[in-house]
Amino acid sequence: GEDVEQSLFLSVREGDSSVINCTYTDSSSTYLYWYKQEPGAGLQLLTYIFSNMDMKQDQRLTVLLNKKDKHLSLRIADTQTGDSAIYFCAESPMNTGFQKLVFGTGTRLLVSP
Amino acid sequence: DSGVTQTPKHLITATGQRVTLRCSPRSGDLSVYWYQQSLDQGLQFLIQYYNGEERAKGNILERFSAQQFPDLHSELNLSSLELGDSALYFCASSLPGRAAETQYFGPGTRLLVL
Repeated sequence: GEDVEQSLFLSVREGDSSVINCTYTDSSSTYLYWYKQEPGAGLQLLTYIFSNMDMKQDQRLTVLLNKKDKHLSLRIADTQTGDSAIYFCAESPMNTGFQKLVFGTGTRLLVSP
Repeated sequence: DSGVTQTPKHLITATGQRVTLRCSPRSGDLSVYWYQQSLDQGLQFLIQYYNGEERAKGNILERFSAQQFPDLHSELNLSSLELGDSALYFCASSLPGRAAETQYFGPGTRLLVL
């Protein structure tokens, strides 16, 4: 089945690291994605990881993938107030032929000065 | 700016009415996807078109329909609107064959049904 779960809320102080977690159920997903949604805005693709990778780093962002546990995380280093947003993880189940994304519930990140 | 455009940005209408949402994909992208974001359902995939043809269908109601035109822009038609159709409707586009077939999202159309 398709089900992607995330914790609803995370609060951190500016300069700290943020870690947003996600669990997914469909092991056929070849790619897993992180999107960011700022208030009143659309979804911005942050990064993605191929399922045969354990880690991907892109500037302040680090994605870790534990395929055995179907666990995905996004670490934001040196979190800034501008990082406050809702973060969605998404999978693309292979049985859909990559035709759709299945999104998690989103994690609202609040960064305080 | 993702390169995907959607119009209108906001739409307010009454129950029972019909509306059309429009999407222009990124230049060169052949696939268009529609998603609905609501408070109770979260982000749900509705439908995908590829080069003018329907490719995949998700949780799309029978009152809703979509099409993709020869110039690759797409329209989502919502009819017999109900209060529960109030939501943010996103369009995304991708280029099949590109690694990860990443989907780039437009800014959305916020629909309010009164």
